[in-house]
Amino acid sequence: NAGVTQTPKFRILKIGQSMTLQCAQDMNHNYMYWYRQDPGMGLKLIYYSVGAGITDKGEVPNGYNVSRSTTEDFPLRLELAAPSQTSVYFCAIGDTEAFFGQGTRLTVV
Amino acid sequence: AQSVSQHNHHVILSEAASLELGCNYSYGGTVNLFWYVQYPGQHLQLLLKYFSGDPLVKGIKGFEAEFIKSKFSFNLRKPSVQWSDTAEYFCAVIPYNNNDMRFGAGTRLTVKP
Repeated sequence: NAGVTQTPKFRILKIGQSMTLQCAQDMNHNYMYWYRQDPGMGLKLIYYSVGAGITDKGEVPNGYNVSRSTTEDFPLRLELAAPSQTSVYFCAIGDTEAFFGQGTRLTVV
Repeated sequence: AQSVSQHNHHVILSEAASLELGCNYSYGGTVNLFWYVQYPGQHLQLLLKYFSGDPLVKGIKGFEAEFIKSKFSFNLRKPSVQWSDTAEYFCAVIPYNNNDMRFGAGTRLTVKP
């Protein structure tokens, strides 16, 4: 999906490890979002940002942290990975509608 | 916070059948409404959106949705589905005064050829 780049595409973590999911955009949108998608649960909002230097919690922020030092980047940090964080993570951007990245499939074992 | 309910978890239809997927939201103020589609193994793509004006919104691939404010609903319709419409469909809501975008749990549509 042009404009939103997520890395990595896949990752396996051991319990207690940490990692950062990267999200970068080249469309100059103010709003950026992180969602997790679990089967039958739809998408749950983890964190969002309305601009550089501003972040807000969504529905399910526990166990995650974000930062927004630039308009382009919105990394999602997992400090102590837990099996409950096994999911597909989507970054989205957009000021009036959301454009989604390709997703990161994370497995915590 | 607002919430979004999609009534059907899994819908199975034959090709050429008509489709209607339900979506209700709980938020008293003005909202922007969306339907997204996710084909197997892919990311979400926008089907259509409603911000204001005509409550009957037409989107891509022959889909349309009707906003009924009194019922807090935004149901998705298509007169005649195709096998290629097999996907998961998500309704989403953004309140007008913030950007906390919430999604429904999704409806999986299977179209039999």
